[in-house]
Amino acid sequence: GQNIDQPTEMTATEGAIVQINCTYQTSGFNGLFWYQQHAGEAPTFLSYNVLDGLEEKGRFSSFLSRSKGYSYLLLKELQMKDSASYLCAVERTDKLIFGTGTRLQVFP
Amino acid sequence: DTEVTQTPKHLVMGMTNKKSLKCEQHMGHRAMYWYKQKAKKPPELMFVYSYEKLSINESVPSRFSPECPNSSLLNLHLHALQPEDSALYLCASSQDTATGLNTEAFFGQGTRLTVV
Repeated sequence: GQNIDQPTEMTATEGAIVQINCTYQTSGFNGLFWYQQHAGEAPTFLSYNVLDGLEEKGRFSSFLSRSKGYSYLLLKELQMKDSASYLCAVERTDKLIFGTGTRLQVFP
Repeated sequence: DTEVTQTPKHLVMGMTNKKSLKCEQHMGHRAMYWYKQKAKKPPELMFVYSYEKLSINESVPSRFSPECPNSSLLNLHLHALQPEDSALYLCASSQDTATGLNTEAFFGQGTRLTVV
């Protein structure tokens, strides 16, 4: 089996920084994805980590620690359009499994 | 072309109806997936096709029947559904099933299904 946990909801202010955590327990771990999903839309790819460490991509960064079963997504200079659900997804050897998802609301 | 196209976008069906959801990609991806997503919940994996063969069925009830006619198409046949099956059905594709490489999954816009 597997557990992939994220906080259910988070709020932040425009221009601020927010960190969304993801913890996982699974067999056959290959890597970890972060997806963004706006209400009523399809998930879109944000980042992928396979090795320990930080991957930076513009305003978004993602960190992975394989030994701790832990990842986070860091969003800087928050914008109103960043209000969405953020899904971490564990890539196993056989399939992609999504975490519980975090709904982020950005306020002006 | 990095699109996964799903049709229809919306579907309302009765519990005695038979309908099909369709998914198409032309990225040469050999893995295709069906996910079910209820409101405010993450996508839940239903089926995985790898090289046009069903490789994973996540204990999905038989009223959902997947079909992969060729490497670009994936169908989900629906029969005798229940109101609790109402959800957003997402199709996705990736280069291959996870092999330790970056196998980013591309998602379609989904079919919003309502069973009445």
